[in-house]
Amino acid sequence: AQTVTQSQPEMSVQEAETVTLSCTYDTSESDYYLFWYKQPPSRQMILVIRQEAYKQQNATENRFSVNFQKAAKSFSLKISDSQLGDAAMYFCAYTSLNYGGSQGNLIFGKGTKLSVKP
Amino acid sequence: DVKVTQSSRYLVKRTGEKVFLECVQDMDHENMFWYRQDPGLGLRLIYFSYDVKMKEKGDIPEGYSVSREKKERFSLILESASTNQTSMYLCASSLLARPYYGYTFGSGTRLTVV
Repeated sequence: AQTVTQSQPEMSVQEAETVTLSCTYDTSESDYYLFWYKQPPSRQMILVIRQEAYKQQNATENRFSVNFQKAAKSFSLKISDSQLGDAAMYFCAYTSLNYGGSQGNLIFGKGTKLSVKP
Repeated sequence: DVKVTQSSRYLVKRTGEKVFLECVQDMDHENMFWYRQDPGLGLRLIYFSYDVKMKEKGDIPEGYSVSREKKERFSLILESASTNQTSMYLCASSLLARPYYGYTFGSGTRLTVV
């Protein structure tokens, strides 16, 4: 079964600095999608960035970028120029392309709580 | 914008009460999900549904049931609420066979059972 592991329950970063959140996953499949979701104190989960496993190029969305290492099954999120509004829980998630039954469901890590210090 | 609306943001219920948590989405998504979120445990899947009147158990279905009479509405039912069901409940929806788009979430219902 696929699993997603976030080894850092909490992280802290100074405003304007860069922080990297770690995520590893386990799968025997070659094609899949990976996601980072943000859950601010307002509780609304928001999709931050996604990566398609068959693309070697790392995804970027403004200040957010990923370091996708397929062989190592690693998918870290880098936040540059951190802002106070980046403070949130961040969840890493995996889904396969085999969407029969429950196989297409997202599998989530346990989350990393990011604090941003002014 | 895709919207997933959960009927209550906060809810306080008594032990033994029957509790209904409602979720409505407006983007014609086939898939709908109910999660509970607890500190240190992340998101745990309770039930999901791929179609009207269809349901499948997730990882922690005990003590819960669901209803999906219409495509846009997915209800979570606590038949007899207990204090260990105090939690944050998140509803989500997604397109069938379109995993690229991920899920759209509601803003959660914080349920307290006293």
